[in-house]
Order: sequence, then C-alpha cells, then structure tokens
Amino acid sequence: ILNVEQSPQSLHVQEGDSTNFTCSFPSSNFYALHWYRWETAKSPEALFVMTLNGDEKKKGRISATLNTKEGYSYLYIKGSQPEDSATYLCASIGSSNTGKLIFGQGTTLQVKP
Amino acid sequence: GAGVSQSPSNKVTEKGKDVELRCDPISGHTALYWYRQRLGQGLEFLIYFQGNSAPDKSGLPSDRFSAERTGESVSTLTIQRTQQEDSAVYLCASSFGTNGSPLHFGNGTRLTVT
Repeated sequence: ILNVEQSPQSLHVQEGDSTNFTCSFPSSNFYALHWYRWETAKSPEALFVMTLNGDEKKKGRISATLNTKEGYSYLYIKGSQPEDSATYLCASIGSSNTGKLIFGQGTTLQVKP
Repeated sequence: GAGVSQSPSNKVTEKGKDVELRCDPISGHTALYWYRQRLGQGLEFLIYFQGNSAPDKSGLPSDRFSAERTGESVSTLTIQRTQQEDSAVYLCASSFGTNGSPLHFGNGTRLTVT
C-alpha cells in the first residue's frame, strides 16, 4: 500500500510570511508526484506534476521541489496572501501501480491579514 | 471549455437504498478517477479507469460499491444498500492519461445517508 504523509496538518501564518510544508512518499517504485490546492467550496486544482529527482517547479509565489531518492517533496509559498488560504494536497503514483494516484491528508493553510 | 461535471450535486437517501452517482469527464480525457472524502478525512482512492477498463478496483470499500464507464466518457458509481458510513463527498476527476497528467476535478456529489 502506498502511504503518502503530509506535515504539518495545519498552519496559521501572517500575511507576508513565507512558509513551507512537506510531503513524504515511498521512494521505491516512484513515478510521479502531484500537488493540488483545494479552496473551500471549490474543487481541487492542480499546481504541479513532478517526475524527476531534483525537479523544481514554480508558479508565481508558489514553488515545489522533489527528492525521489529520499521520498519527499517541499511546497514553498513566498509572501503568503489571504487568498493562499486553502488545503494543499500532494499525491503520488508508484510505477508498479500505474494510474493509482494516492493522496496525503493535506496541509490546511490559514493566512491572516 | 466544459470541465468535469458531476450529478447530482447533493443526494440524501435512506439507509438501505441504492444510489447512482454520475460523472461526465472532460472530452478526450482517457483516465477517470473516483475518490471520496468522509468528514474530517482526506481523499480516499476508490477506483480509476483507463478508457473503459478499471485496472485497479482495490479501493472500493465493499462489494456494495461498483463503477462502470462507457464510451470512454461517462462513468457511474453505484452504491447498493447504502449505510450511514457511506456518507461523504464523492469526487470524480479526469486526465489525459495516467502517470504524468494533472487531474481535473468535478465539484463532487455530497451523499448523506439517513
């Protein structure tokens, strides 16, 4: 069974703070790592899909890194804004489970103005 | 263009009744996924389709759950003899393929079993 863990479970920061959270996944049989943002009353929205060790992706103030050898990914938000408040989900596919995308429990971020 | 559409958006049913949830994926998306989120929990994988085939049904919680997809398009998730623990938001997502393509999610069906 593929276990994907995220930490912290929740995070409260002030507007303007930079923050980061972690996703850990089994490093054996790794194929791809996804990050999604899930805002209240909306559906999850894809941020990044990463496959290569050392990969870094950036979208505005949000960036992510990937370490497939040790089985973790970091998501960074620079200069957090209230509109960044959401639950951030990561999900992993193992190469032996092609297509079976398993999600972590998510990190819920609250940015206070 | 049109996104992933799910119906109904809300369903309240009595324990023991059967329910059918529908998902219309984005046109051209070959992969289709079903997940559910019970209160206070994360997204739980149920099943995925590649085309009309479901290579992995291991996430279906019990034999009361079944799913099918036809025409590489619409999918239905059927829950027979519903139980209170089936109450959850059921999310459908589609993508161009498995492995490397991001998922596009629908707005979900909120199922309440009374």
